[in-house]
Amino acid sequence: EVQLLESGGGLVQPGGSLRLSCSASGFTFSSYAMSWVRQAPGKGLEWVSIIFSGTSTYYADSVKGRFTISRDNSNNMVYLQMNSLRAEDTAVYYCAKEPPGSKIIDYWGQGTLVTVSS
Amino acid sequence: QLVLTQSPSASASLGASVKLTCTLSSGHSSYAIAWHQQQPEKGPRYLMKVNSDGSHIKGDGIPDRFSGSSSGAERYLTISSLQSEDEADYYCQTWGTGIRVFGGGTKLTVL
Repeated sequence: EVQLLESGGGLVQPGGSLRLSCSASGFTFSSYAMSWVRQAPGKGLEWVSIIFSGTSTYYADSVKGRFTISRDNSNNMVYLQMNSLRAEDTAVYYCAKEPPGSKIIDYWGQGTLVTVSS
Repeated sequence: QLVLTQSPSASASLGASVKLTCTLSSGHSSYAIAWHQQQPEKGPRYLMKVNSDGSHIKGDGIPDRFSGSSSGAERYLTISSLQSEDEADYYCQTWGTGIRVFGGGTKLTVL
């Protein structure tokens, strides 16, 4: 059974940092691209970042230079290091997977809430 | 610029059918898209991939009531025999070079 379990969310002050983790199981993790997608309260889905199986990474303009995505294929983990956090980064952050070559998300985690507030 | 456009809301009666639309921006009419459903207070769920030729590939466990189709730059999600649990937000998603793009979502109300 496929599982994606996010953790690491919480309350952080503006300008602070937070590291999200996503534990994956039930599929050949190293072959899949992994994305982070967020959803601000009452808003739609916003793609944040992706890391491919070959470790190439891409970011939305809104987080470029502040967020870093990484993966540990030996432990089936993907991470999102978030620095210089702003109030507008407040959202539920979802981990999601893409089958090789598909370019579409086919499974989502349950999400972890990040609140940036003083 | 790659943009996906969705109507903010739609409604249909219990037991009826509804067709949701996702429109690809100019120059991207050959792109496939994915449909995702988000029920209230839940995370998103993948429904299906819809190709430019109208073929679609559904995710595991997605009922036959859900189907996809295409016409030009438009991609559709049709839900037949609407049930109360179909009341949800529906998002389309596609990709650019390295990036992923979501539509603004359609809130479906089942009357």
